Amino acid sequence: GQQVMQIPQYQHVQEGEDFTTYCNSSTTLSNIQWYKQRPGGHPVFLIQLVKSGEVKKQKRLTFQFGEAKKNSSLHITATQTTDVGTYFCAGGSSNTGKLIFGQGTTLQVKP
Amino acid sequence: DTGVSQNPRHKITKRGQNVTFRCDPISEHNRLYWYRQTLGQGPEFLTYFQNEAQLEKSRLLSDRFSAERPKGSFSTLEIQRTEQGDSAMYLCASSLDPGLAEKFFGPGTRLTVL
Repeated sequence: GQQVMQIPQYQHVQEGEDFTTYCNSSTTLSNIQWYKQRPGGHPVFLIQLVKSGEVKKQKRLTFQFGEAKKNSSLHITATQTTDVGTYFCAGGSSNTGKLIFGQGTTLQVKP
Repeated sequence: DTGVSQNPRHKITKRGQNVTFRCDPISEHNRLYWYRQTLGQGPEFLTYFQNEAQLEKSRLLSDRFSAERPKGSFSTLEIQRTEQGDSAMYLCASSLDPGLAEKFFGPGTRLTVL
């Protein structure tokens, strides 16, 4: 079945440094969604990418969808302590809406 | 609060007991999903409903698990004869059609099986 892999599993950065997490799927994706989960919290939707090669920005966050629609990345510029949490990518089915989540990348930011 | 709600938030039970969780989605959302999350892992799909119809169940979902959404509003997830391996956070999410819509997750029910 479809698998979504995410690396790295953990990342510790100094506040102000950049951060990137990568997501790879074993199959072509209809779309990819990104979620953030704070410690003790639940996943919260960040963004959805649908088109091949799509790039979207949200303030300091930049999301990319690969040309082959099998990989994606999230880049955070100049991290802040509020960025702490686990970032998940999830491959979506356009028919069912079912999401297959990666293992997540947990970001720690040292002030 | 108009978000997704789940009850109870925590459940501790003994192995072999049955447990039932409830999810109340955002009122106008016709799609409802159940996921399970263990420590250090991403949410794992269990099943989903479109209105009252259960349209897909994960192959990982054993016969001890059953879910219902009788009137297309709230949903229940029952686990019979619980095992220690069932210990996890059970998350509910809802969304609008179409399938590409963002998912709104509830706070989850944390199950501990002793």
